[in-house]
Amino acid sequence: KNEVEQSPQNLTAQEGEFITINCSYSVGISALHWLQQHPGGGIVSLFMLSSGKKKHGRLIATINIQEKHSSLHITASHPRDSAVYICAVRRWSGGSNYKLTFGKGTLLTVNP
Amino acid sequence: DGGITQSPKYLFRKEGQNVTLSCEQNLNHDAMYWYRQDPGQGLRLIYYSQIVNDFQKGDIAEGYSVSREKKESFPLTVTSAQKNPTAFYLCASSIRTGFGEQFFGPGTRLTVL
Repeated sequence: KNEVEQSPQNLTAQEGEFITINCSYSVGISALHWLQQHPGGGIVSLFMLSSGKKKHGRLIATINIQEKHSSLHITASHPRDSAVYICAVRRWSGGSNYKLTFGKGTLLTVNP
Repeated sequence: DGGITQSPKYLFRKEGQNVTLSCEQNLNHDAMYWYRQDPGQGLRLIYYSQIVNDFQKGDIAEGYSVSREKKESFPLTVTSAQKNPTAFYLCASSIRTGFGEQFFGPGTRLTVL
């Protein structure tokens, strides 16, 4: 079983719909990241959170540390939101070292 | 503009040749990372560096080598020992390991023929 599981793997929505992408993890973490990867391949960091909720524009990320679960919500979705959304958890790997473990990503397609 | 540059975007090499991928950052970050991305898999860590002249193996370091002679630069060499080198390679940096967001470069797609 992967340490970071995302669902769904693929998601197709109509413009304007509310979208939720889920991330569950099985290890102790110090932070969780949500990333966006566009078709060209470049990755942009959307959120880094260790508790509660963060909002940026139409994007909202929440995390429940006790349940080891995070969600990324997109309100009023738009075709330009079409991308792969990746969840990554930061965990201690010994000494002063930390590393990110990544989920496989959720491919979101928003149709006009 | 501050950021991370990787060159080239597409790279083709013959089997058995070593190839070096470039990564440069002007964010004044101490930590730099190399990841590999394959279809249907999450990013996997190849090597990382916490500071100049220091680097550590990640989860899939076999067949790769790195150097960190300057703070701004963290080149990755894919050697002929890497059994399946065709992949998308991403470089990233952060203020220091375990702290803050990681900023990613645009990536290099390596195809070995």
